[in-house]
Amino acid sequence: DTGVSQDPRHKITKRGQNVTFRCDPISEHNRLYWYRQTLGQGPEFLTYFQNEAQLEKSRLLSDRFSAERPKGSFSTLEIQRTEQGDSAMYLCASSLPGPKSYEQYFGPGTRLTVT
Amino acid sequence: AQSVSQHNHHVILSEAASLELGCNYSYGGTVNLFWYVQYPGQHLQLLLKYFSGDPLVKGIKGFEAEFIKSKFSFNLRKPSVQWSDTAEYFCAVSPFTGGGNKLTFGTGTQLKVEL
Repeated sequence: DTGVSQDPRHKITKRGQNVTFRCDPISEHNRLYWYRQTLGQGPEFLTYFQNEAQLEKSRLLSDRFSAERPKGSFSTLEIQRTEQGDSAMYLCASSLPGPKSYEQYFGPGTRLTVT
Repeated sequence: AQSVSQHNHHVILSEAASLELGCNYSYGGTVNLFWYVQYPGQHLQLLLKYFSGDPLVKGIKGFEAEFIKSKFSFNLRKPSVQWSDTAEYFCAVSPFTGGGNKLTFGTGTQLKVEL
């Protein structure tokens, strides 16, 4: 399968703990996006990378959240001192450069539950 | 700021019925428009997209959508639904230029097709 992959698929953590999620985009895709989806809502944009550069962060991304894409390939999203309000599905998407950059391909997501 | 409204949160249809899902957006510029679908247990998939040109666009599995600029709408249609169309449908927009192609999603419409 050459689609976007995310790991882990599910994560249960206690409030106050740190968690890290990984996203592996489709290999030739240079753009990588993170979204968050809560129950009954559509995905909300968090941040995106072009190659290794983080070009935009949403106001939703508090200072407890940090994302990296060190070599322009996989990306990690870390949440420090988790809160119950962080419980959500975290989605990763990637896209090609150039004219096809509008089409984003989504991964299966990581479901985070904070107890 | 952009926003997307999907007015039907839950739709139940019998097989062979016609489908129309509403989507309206708010944005102070030109946008790209998308419909994504999420089948049970699967990740988000692109159903169809509109960038420019013919406002009636056709996607996979017999779906089509019409962009009406004067109404800021991009409604999804299918003449005859099948049980396998049971899924959640999301309308989304991104800026035509700039903004990194980040997507703004509506809240989604859960479609259930009964045999």
